[in-house]
Amino acid sequence: AQSVAQPEDQVNVAEGNPLTVKCTYSVSGNPYLFWYVQYPNRGLQFLLKYITGDNLVKGSYGFEAEFNKSQTSFHLKKPSALVSDSALYFCAVRAGLNAGNNRKLIWGLGTSLAVNP
Amino acid sequence: DSGVTQTPKHLITATGQRVTLRCSPRSGDLSVYWYQQSLDQGLQFLIQYYNGEERAKGNILERFSAQQFPDLHSELNLSSLELGDSALYFCASSVGGRGDSPLHFGNGTRLTVT
Repeated sequence: AQSVAQPEDQVNVAEGNPLTVKCTYSVSGNPYLFWYVQYPNRGLQFLLKYITGDNLVKGSYGFEAEFNKSQTSFHLKKPSALVSDSALYFCAVRAGLNAGNNRKLIWGLGTSLAVNP
Repeated sequence: DSGVTQTPKHLITATGQRVTLRCSPRSGDLSVYWYQQSLDQGLQFLIQYYNGEERAKGNILERFSAQQFPDLHSELNLSSLELGDSALYFCASSVGGRGDSPLHFGNGTRLTVT
């Protein structure tokens, strides 16, 4: 079965420190991977995606993510956290074109990031 | 601003009632998705339309239905409402319909069933 896991419900980090929000997945074929952020009382916003190419993907607001095929992971990172980065982060994955017809987007349960001043 | 407009922002209604949620996708986007977000179940995919046709179905209850109109706006109809239907309902749109292009979300409709 296809799945996405965000193993941490909450991540706390001090402002200025690097942050990592973890995501692992299990899908057929080569995955399409996405990160979204949700601020309070707002819809989700697209941060970045990986489909093919360089394993390190750069996105909005200084975020980046590294695709690791052997570990089936796509962790979100930022070198220096800001208080304004505090939000809910969602990882999503879709099976690739070589996976047949089951290509629905599957979502993680979200990780709440708190950046402390 | 994502360009996706959802109305109304808030809706309070009683059990057994029927409501309609409306979504206008971002200009140029052909695909519309509906999601339900609640504290206990997280983000649940309900249904997707692409250029007026149903493309994919998720965990949508039989009491719920949706459609996408020729002008590409979409409506989600929720009937025989139960307390457990209280949630935030999001509409999202994308250019393509294959799930490889980013989704653009509206700010949601918060439904409270009393």
